[in-house]
Amino acid sequence: GAVVSQHPSRVICKSGTSVKIECRSLDFQATTMFWYRQFPKQSLMLMATSNEGSKATYEQGVEKDKFLINHASLTLSTLTVTSAHPEDSSFYICSALTHGQGGLDYGYTFGSGTRLTVV
Amino acid sequence: KNEVEQSPQNLTAQEGEFITINCSYSVGISALHWLQQHPGGGIVSLFMLSSGKKKHGRLIATINIQEKHSSLHITASHPRDSAVYICAVEYGNKLVFGAGTILRVKS
Repeated sequence: GAVVSQHPSRVICKSGTSVKIECRSLDFQATTMFWYRQFPKQSLMLMATSNEGSKATYEQGVEKDKFLINHASLTLSTLTVTSAHPEDSSFYICSALTHGQGGLDYGYTFGSGTRLTVV
Repeated sequence: KNEVEQSPQNLTAQEGEFITINCSYSVGISALHWLQQHPGGGIVSLFMLSSGKKKHGRLIATINIQEKHSSLHITASHPRDSAVYICAVEYGNKLVFGAGTILRVKS
């Protein structure tokens, strides 16, 4: 089945630095990738939707200059947290929209997530 | 805006018990998903439903579109079923997630 590889799984960074998170679709082409964040004991919240070759669509309240999303190829989407601060510490996870044969079926395949700690 | 409510929030069961997790939503949807999140955070898609019932192994998912309600059942529960189970509805080309049900199955 479809696999989305997300790296790194854990990262600790200093306040003010930038962190890049990668999501790769291993055996399919991901035209659409969703990026979520999850605070402890809370549900996933959609941050942005990215489509290959175009600008990402950000949800209300998400700073696009702080959370840079690049989806330059059909197999790679990246989220860069710029000038990270302790309040950005969270669990970030990507999800690719996958299509079955003929495009009639579809589903969502999730990465394994990245736990970001900003110190 | 679609509100997704799950119950219970926490559930502890003895191995072998039949488990039911419920999900209600407020607005019409195109599909409903049941997801499983493991302690490390990884998420696995269990079911996608738009009507009726689906079964996979010991897992059964049902949806009642008129009542805007879905249930996830686990038969013959096992400690390896311990995880967070999340209901998510497709609404406006996006997924809206419930808060999750923390399931712990004791041996």
